[in-house]
Amino acid sequence: GQQLNQSPQSMFIQEGEDVSMNCTSSSIFNTWLWYKQEPGEGPVLLIALYKAGELTSNGRLTAQFGITRKDSFLNISASIPSDVGIYFCAVLMDSNYQLIWGAGTKLIIKP
Amino acid sequence: SAVISQKPSRDICQRGTSLTIQCQVDSQVTMMFWYRQQPGQSLTLIATANQGSEATYESGFVIDKFPISRPNLTFSTLTVSNMSPEDSSIYLCSVSGIAGVRNIQYFGAGTRLSVL
Repeated sequence: GQQLNQSPQSMFIQEGEDVSMNCTSSSIFNTWLWYKQEPGEGPVLLIALYKAGELTSNGRLTAQFGITRKDSFLNISASIPSDVGIYFCAVLMDSNYQLIWGAGTKLIIKP
Repeated sequence: SAVISQKPSRDICQRGTSLTIQCQVDSQVTMMFWYRQQPGQSLTLIATANQGSEATYESGFVIDKFPISRPNLTFSTLTVSNMSPEDSSIYLCSVSGIAGVRNIQYFGAGTRLSVL
């Protein structure tokens, strides 16, 4: 089946550092999404991208939809302790409105 | 977005029993989905819950094991039947097709199931 390749799998960073993670696919998708999941919760939508080349921000988070429509990245600037969690990329299948998910990037902030 | 309430939030069950998980949305939605997620893993789609008709199951999931109901546009249930320890997982409900929002899926908090 179709897959998204998300990297890195995990990140250990210091508070205040910037974070970058990305997601690639072998197929073209028209909607890319970034979710964050904290322990004991369901995924929460952070950013939705609808247009190739689009750069969208949500506070300290910035995501870009690649011009080829086969990739996206998410940046977090000046990380803080509450940024810990697992970040998932996902793409929307236009045919049936299902999502294909990346494997997730676990963000851990070193004390 | 929408407010999605999922019950129970967690449960510990004996093997061979069944558990029904409820998902209630505060507004009418077009689509409702059920996922399974192993701790630390990504989400796996079990089925799409169709209003007024049988759910559409993904490969590896069958109606006898995971019967789903969707009697209206705001409510769905997933039953995990004849449970075994391998069914221990997080079960998540999501919804999409909220008025004014482009087919984005929003999630409930999940049900954490442990089977002994």
